[in-house]
Amino acid sequence: DAGITQSPRHKVTETGTPVTLRCHQTENHRYMYWYRQDPGHGLRLIHYSYGVKDTDKGEVSDGYSVSRSKTEDFLLTLESATSSQTSVYFCAISLQGLKAEAFFGQGTRLTVV
Amino acid sequence: AQRVTQPEKLLSVFKGAPVELKCNYSYSGSPELFWYVQYSRQRLQLLLRHISRESIKGFTADLNKGETSFHLKKPFAQEEDSAMYYCALKDSQGAQKLVFGQGTRLTINP
Repeated sequence: DAGITQSPRHKVTETGTPVTLRCHQTENHRYMYWYRQDPGHGLRLIHYSYGVKDTDKGEVSDGYSVSRSKTEDFLLTLESATSSQTSVYFCAISLQGLKAEAFFGQGTRLTVV
Repeated sequence: AQRVTQPEKLLSVFKGAPVELKCNYSYSGSPELFWYVQYSRQRLQLLLRHISRESIKGFTADLNKGETSFHLKKPFAQEEDSAMYYCALKDSQGAQKLVFGQGTRLTINP
């Protein structure tokens, strides 16, 4: 495994509450990504980061925010969780370079009730 | 905007039969394309990248810029190939945005 861990691995939360997922890497990779995986939709990019404090929106960023205050941590926050945000969330890291592969975390299963 | 389309959500073939998983993309620049695989209860992992022109586990993929396709092929399917397959495209611009298709679940029947 590429030194990338996600926490928590499972979480159940109530509608309207804020939730923060953490992605931690020990590889010093510059690029970090957050995806959600849903049946029929595959992996959809939520936000990504290309350096400390440098982030940008992906395809499905509404309702999510991110922060990256240091290289090793990329936090995904659901400001006010909704049932439509029930999903499996994956973090990925990548070195710089077009050929560089992405390494994925184990995923976080989030259920919003 | 970059977009990856995998038209087949499910694909089922018999062991020993050829396999082709389709991937089409739209991108204005020069794309960098990948295939990732997710076996049951495992992390998503790289299968192959077009720039390397490699063959991994008997799979190959050729980039066809005219048809904007990057189909994954294997001449003889094996049961251990059953998995979820994702085609991905990396933005060649600075931020290196990485987007995935919807995925194809491949089932190899004995």
